[in-house]
Amino acid sequence: DQQVKQNSPSLSVQEGRISILNCDYTNSMFDYFLWYKKYPAEGPTFLISISSIKDKNEDGRFTVFLNKSAKHLSLHIVPSQPGDSAVYFCAASPGVQGAQKLVFGQGTRLTINP
Amino acid sequence: EAQVTQNPRYLITVTGKKLTVTCSQNMNHEYMSWYRQDPGLGLRQIYYSMNVEVTDKGDVPEGYKVSRKEKRNFPLILESPSPNQTSLYFCASSLTQAMKDGYTFGSGTRLTVV
Repeated sequence: DQQVKQNSPSLSVQEGRISILNCDYTNSMFDYFLWYKKYPAEGPTFLISISSIKDKNEDGRFTVFLNKSAKHLSLHIVPSQPGDSAVYFCAASPGVQGAQKLVFGQGTRLTINP
Repeated sequence: EAQVTQNPRYLITVTGKKLTVTCSQNMNHEYMSWYRQDPGLGLRQIYYSMNVEVTDKGDVPEGYKVSRKEKRNFPLILESPSPNQTSLYFCASSLTQAMKDGYTFGSGTRLTVV
């Protein structure tokens, strides 16, 4: 059973516009949510995280929003740049007791068009 | 440079021939983990370790073994590889138990079992 789901396998956005990547989860005990970015032939790199007690976290062009009642989080990239083209994974941590069991979604391939 | 190093990067082997994928980190991290990435499934955790001699199963541990005899090393062992273990493998490490900054990932090992 997939506890973290990214329902859009791919997304295409024009350079300069906003990219919005979505993620849904089922386990209400998750206490941290993270976004990773992955280029081909490289490992995933950490992008941004949000605690379950917050609803927004911002870091430069990247903002993550958390809607706990809907069990939904999203990553906004503004403005989108060609270097943002990559696969994005959302992930969730089950809390202190099982924090190391980071659970990932299936990934969304983002393509930024010039 | 702070990093997680996996070897080899690419490996083709035959069914049943034991193999080991090595993983080493130079950041003095307590926590380490192994993931496999498969199309449409995202990253799934195989095993993780909270400290030397302390390991636990992730979501897909069947067919794999790990050991943590030293803090820096966390090898993944396939005693009798099968074709369904053909995948892209990532080792990762984390300084803290809380997942605020997530894992740091290695560059990956692409394994093909024929």
